[in-house]
Amino acid sequence: SQQGEEDPQALSIQEGENATMNCSYKTSINNLQWYRQNSGRGLVHLILIRSNEREKHSGRLRVTLDTSKKSSSLLITASRAADTASYFCATDARGAQKLVFGQGTRLTINP
Amino acid sequence: DAGVIQSPRHEVTEMGQEVTLRCKPISGHNSLFWYRQTMMRGLELLIYFNNNVPIDDSGMPEDRFSAKMPNASFSTLKIQPSEPRDSAVYFCASSPQAYEQYFGPGTRLTVT
Repeated sequence: SQQGEEDPQALSIQEGENATMNCSYKTSINNLQWYRQNSGRGLVHLILIRSNEREKHSGRLRVTLDTSKKSSSLLITASRAADTASYFCATDARGAQKLVFGQGTRLTINP
Repeated sequence: DAGVIQSPRHEVTEMGQEVTLRCKPISGHNSLFWYRQTMMRGLELLIYFNNNVPIDDSGMPEDRFSAKMPNASFSTLKIQPSEPRDSAVYFCASSPQAYEQYFGPGTRLTVT
């Protein structure tokens, strides 16, 4: 089964609002990453958070990691129409190089 | 840099035909990954290479699938014979270290 599971599967909000997506995983990790995929395109790396970090910021993105709960959240503040995309979390099991992706959250920003 | 390059972008073929997907990773990246994406199964890792050597091919569905990386700038994923259930978008990604991955635009494969 998938290592990462995103929640919700779909999210629709108004432009300017904040969007929060969650990810849960099952095994110990070295780091957790978030990716964005626009329709018909490849995935784009957004941010990486290491297992010894609790929070990380990049522009309008804020990621938190709670290793005790095996969960992470991605917050997009002041959303824009261009943020409409699917968002995936990806984890690497300790000792393994490969990433395992969740099923993703489809985010729709309504103008 | 042009990013990861994949060809063809679209492929329509008949069941039983051989299909070859191609990937050129970003120069200097030493890891290359092949993924398959479908609505039902999401994004699945098929195989990955480090320094041109296959490391983990446990995601390759069956013997009909094979992948090669003859040099640091080229990789192929071959399906022979193809079946309708192989219809999916196939992504190639490369990575400079074991961290963030850079994805190509994908090849949309349709097997009729």
